[in-house]
Amino acid sequence: ILNVEQSPQSLHVQEGDSTNFTCSFPSSNFYALHWYRWETAKSPEALFVMTLNGDEKKKGRISATLNTKEGYSYLYIKGSQPEDSATYLCAFPWVGNDYKLSFGAGTTVTVRA
Amino acid sequence: NAGVTQTPKFQVLKTGQSMTLQCAQDMNHEYMSWYRQDPGMGLRLIHYSVGAGITDQGEVPNGYNVSRSTTEDFPLRLLSAAPSQTSVYFCASSVAGTPRNEQFFGPGTRLTVL
Repeated sequence: ILNVEQSPQSLHVQEGDSTNFTCSFPSSNFYALHWYRWETAKSPEALFVMTLNGDEKKKGRISATLNTKEGYSYLYIKGSQPEDSATYLCAFPWVGNDYKLSFGAGTTVTVRA
Repeated sequence: NAGVTQTPKFQVLKTGQSMTLQCAQDMNHEYMSWYRQDPGMGLRLIHYSVGAGITDQGEVPNGYNVSRSTTEDFPLRLLSAAPSQTSVYFCASSVAGTPRNEQFFGPGTRLTVL
């Protein structure tokens, strides 16, 4: 079982502002890193699966970067909107068993109008 | 496609009762898994399956059984419910059992054990 750390636990953002937060994971034996968005009363939905050091992925106003050598990924939200309010989860496969994902506790983003 | 479906949406059990949470997917995914979500914690893997007839334990398997007789269905059985099993349960599936594939989640089952 791996420790996947997310920080901060929560943040409040003014509408229109940009923000970012972090997922930290063990830097050895990297295989993939997942980001999911989880809106209240819904189920988690995949944003990105990142596999290469230096990867940058983008979906609308949300983007993510990956540094496998130092073991972190950043998720950025540009020009936050109220519909971006959600918990953002990252997940990392257990070393030695690719089929099991360890999820971080998430960063809960609240966008204030 | 309905995607991943779960039933029931809500359930209240008494300590010691047994029940089965149902999960089905219509995407022909090989990999299916069960997670529980508790306040302040990330999703924790209970059991998973890489194909029909193959299951294995996750991080928190005690008190739960699974089977995978078909590609589509992956039920989770609570053998003798305990208050510690009060949680929200999510079923998920992906194309194949490699973590390079995103997981698709069902809507969840909220279980309360009294």
